[in-house]
Amino acid sequence: DVKVTQSSRYLVKRTGEKVFLECVQDMDHENMFWYRQDPGLGLRLIYFSYDVKMKEKGDIPEGYSVSREKKERFSLILESASTNQTSMYLCASSSLRLAGGENYNEQFFGPGTRLTVL
Amino acid sequence: AQKVTQAQTEISVVEKEDVTLDCVYETRDTTYYLFWYKQPPSGELVFLIRRNSFDEQNEISGRYSWNFQKSTSSFNFTITASQVVDSAVYFCALSEWRNTGKLIFGQGTTLQVKP
Repeated sequence: DVKVTQSSRYLVKRTGEKVFLECVQDMDHENMFWYRQDPGLGLRLIYFSYDVKMKEKGDIPEGYSVSREKKERFSLILESASTNQTSMYLCASSSLRLAGGENYNEQFFGPGTRLTVL
Repeated sequence: AQKVTQAQTEISVVEKEDVTLDCVYETRDTTYYLFWYKQPPSGELVFLIRRNSFDEQNEISGRYSWNFQKSTSSFNFTITASQVVDSAVYFCALSEWRNTGKLIFGQGTTLQVKP
């Protein structure tokens, strides 16, 4: 089974701190994603990566950066945490490999990190 | 632009009732995929179903069924004889056909099934 793990389930940080959220997947997936989930807004894509050292901005990249030095690991960085970044952060991965001639784009999710910035 | 709308924010039913979760999407692509995910209280999104735009056949899996209608751009999800364990947030999502792997999610519907 695909397994996506995130470094922490709960995290409390102070305004201005640099925050690292780590995500690791064990299925050799090319694509990795970071979302934030807020009530009434669903999942919003922050950044994604389709290869090592490659990254693309999602819909809400402001205030965030990412790092993908190894295929299995995708890190989300809050350079200077602010209270409006208090949220649930979800990591996901998917494969580019075709299956039966189709690219399904099915994403597998980690358990999430609930970040509180005080 | 691509968009997924789940107009129902919260639904509350009593156990054994049937419930339908609505999903309406917008896309200019002629080829695309639609998904449903379940997010139980534990937080991890669980994949339920994937449908491609070529296949409008309805699908049934146990107590779950999905109705895909291209004419109305809808992909609705019905739970028959709901159970307390069905309580969760349910997300509908749309995949771009282009090989970016990105999904566009709806706002989610919170389903509460009361005993």
